[in-house]
Parts: sequence; C-alpha cells; structure tokens
Amino acid sequence: SQQGEEDPQALSIQEGENATMNCSYKTSINNLQWYRQNSGRGLVHLILIRSNEREKHSGRLRVTLDTSKKSSSLLITASRAADTASYFCASSPLSGSARQLTFGSGTQLTVLP
Amino acid sequence: DTGVSQNPRHKITKRGQNVTFRCDPISEHNRLYWYRQTLGQGPEFLTYFQNEAQLEKSRLLSDRFSAERPKGSFSTLEIQRTEQGDSAMYLCASSLSGGVTEAFFGQGTRLTVV
Repeated sequence: SQQGEEDPQALSIQEGENATMNCSYKTSINNLQWYRQNSGRGLVHLILIRSNEREKHSGRLRVTLDTSKKSSSLLITASRAADTASYFCASSPLSGSARQLTFGSGTQLTVLP
Repeated sequence: DTGVSQNPRHKITKRGQNVTFRCDPISEHNRLYWYRQTLGQGPEFLTYFQNEAQLEKSRLLSDRFSAERPKGSFSTLEIQRTEQGDSAMYLCASSLSGGVTEAFFGQGTRLTVV
C-alpha cells in the first residue's frame, strides 16, 4: 500500500494561476522528493527537500516540509499548459529500507490554456 | 542520451508466457531500482541493487519474478508464467550511493497480459 496520500487527487486551473498540491506521509523521513509524470511516460525528478529543511525553491516550484505534521506541499507558480501532468511525492524513510522511495497516489494537474 | 534507458517500451504477451525487460542505468550510478505502477497509482517498490548485489526485495516480488544485474551494469527483470494482474508499467531508476541522492527514472516498459 502507498505510504503517502496526496491531495487533491485532481486539480484543474487556468494558465497563469498557481497550483498547490499537498502530500502526507506516515513515518519519519530522511528526505522527500517530488516527481512529475506525463501520461504514459516515466517520472521526471523535480525537487528534493531534506528532513532538516523547511522550504526549497527551484524556478517556478516551491516546496515546503512540515515534519511535525508529516506533510509537504508543492506550489507551481504562473502555471503553463505544459505543466499538465501527474505529480507524485516520494518519501525516503529515516530508518529501515532507507534506499527505497515510497510514493503517494499522485495529483493529476490540468492547466487549461 | 545519457539517462536511464528501458527496453522494450511496450510488451503485449499472452497469459502464461515469460517476459524479460531490460534497464540500462546512468553509467556512473551504482544503485538500481525496479518499481511497478498500475493505472492511477503511484509507483510501488519491487527491488533494489547496489552494484551487482540485490539487497532488497519487496513482498510484491513473487517467486515468478526475478531480477539480475550482472557486473553491476544493466539489469533485467523477468516475469515467468505471466498473469493478467501483472499488467502494469515497470519502471527502472538509478542513483548514486551515499547520503541523500536523487533517483532518476527511465520511460518505463508497459506490459499488457492478454
């Protein structure tokens, strides 16, 4: 079963608007990563945030991490039609199988032109 | 293209047949992972190699599944006696070892068992 849950499951916005996706996880983590997946394709790595970081930026992406709530959010600013894809968070646990990523079920983002 | 390469991209097979997929990781990466993704779900971990050693296997990896990574380079994932429930996207990823590292994924092999 998936460790993470993502919210919302689907999001539809107009081009130029901001999109926010949330992710929750269950166990203590070493880091959390966000990926994008276009339909039927592989995953593209977007950003990694370590457990001792609270916020990270990369271009139009902003990721926050709240380890006390075991949650993270991904903000995409000034969205474009090309941002249409599924977005997944993936957590790397602090102990145990630290090398495997546990993925959430994803948020399907649709950006309307 | 120096990314993770997977072959074939698509495979249609009859139930009961054996299939084999190949993954070529990024050349300097010594870690290699296999994941399975069904429609509408996130990827689920199957197995992990550090160089040629298979260090972890998920309970999802039944005895019909076997993975190898000879010489610590490319990897193969074989499914024997395929079942309709094996239909999924099989994703390979690679990463460097040590510390906090990003995993880079291939385009995946979509398996359809009819």
